[in-house]
Amino acid sequence: ELKVEQNPLFLSMQEGKNYTIYCNYSTTSDRLYWYRQDPGKSLESLFVLLSNGAVKQEGRLMASLDTKARLSTLHITAAVHDLSATYFCAVGKDNAGNMLTFGGGTRLMVKP
Amino acid sequence: NAGVTQTPKFQVLKTGQSMTLQCAQDMNHEYMSWYRQDPGMGLRLIHYSVGAGITDQGEVPNGYNVSRSTTEDFPLRLLSAAPSQTSVYFCASSPGPSGPYNEQFFGPGTRLTVL
Repeated sequence: ELKVEQNPLFLSMQEGKNYTIYCNYSTTSDRLYWYRQDPGKSLESLFVLLSNGAVKQEGRLMASLDTKARLSTLHITAAVHDLSATYFCAVGKDNAGNMLTFGGGTRLMVKP
Repeated sequence: NAGVTQTPKFQVLKTGQSMTLQCAQDMNHEYMSWYRQDPGMGLRLIHYSVGAGITDQGEVPNGYNVSRSTTEDFPLRLLSAAPSQTSVYFCASSPGPSGPYNEQFFGPGTRLTVL
């Protein structure tokens, strides 16, 4: 059974600081997704990581994938208040990225 | 393009009632899925479809039915609502094998309360 674990579950940080969210998964997969969810809203796709060693960056967020370690990270650089949201990683049960299994989410709060 | 649309946005049911949550997409995506999100948790897959006429169960299918008669529509039916089905329901679609990333696009959600 595929399990996806994120940590930390809750993160409170000051503006300007750096931090990393970790996503571990239990079975082999070559495809990992990161999503952002604002309170009461739907999920917004941030990154799709397709292969071992993949790294993608968008603004202050950078995601990476290590398929051998079954680990993905989402690094936040110089956090700003607008990044406050819940972040989810998800892994597809097949290598096409279907039938996603989600982590429990990391609720990020960036304080001024 | 409207993307993925869901109706209704909010619904309150009594235990034992049945209803259908509607989902439609206008992106000509092959794959569609239904997820539920309980408070403070990630999404869990209920049912999915890889094309018109083809559906399969996900992680938590009990108490739900789906059908897919067209590429665009993927309704979710609650057969006899129970308080444990109180949740936010998200529909998603993705291109399938024709898309390099097969990225899933999510609808706005339906917030369901069962009394």
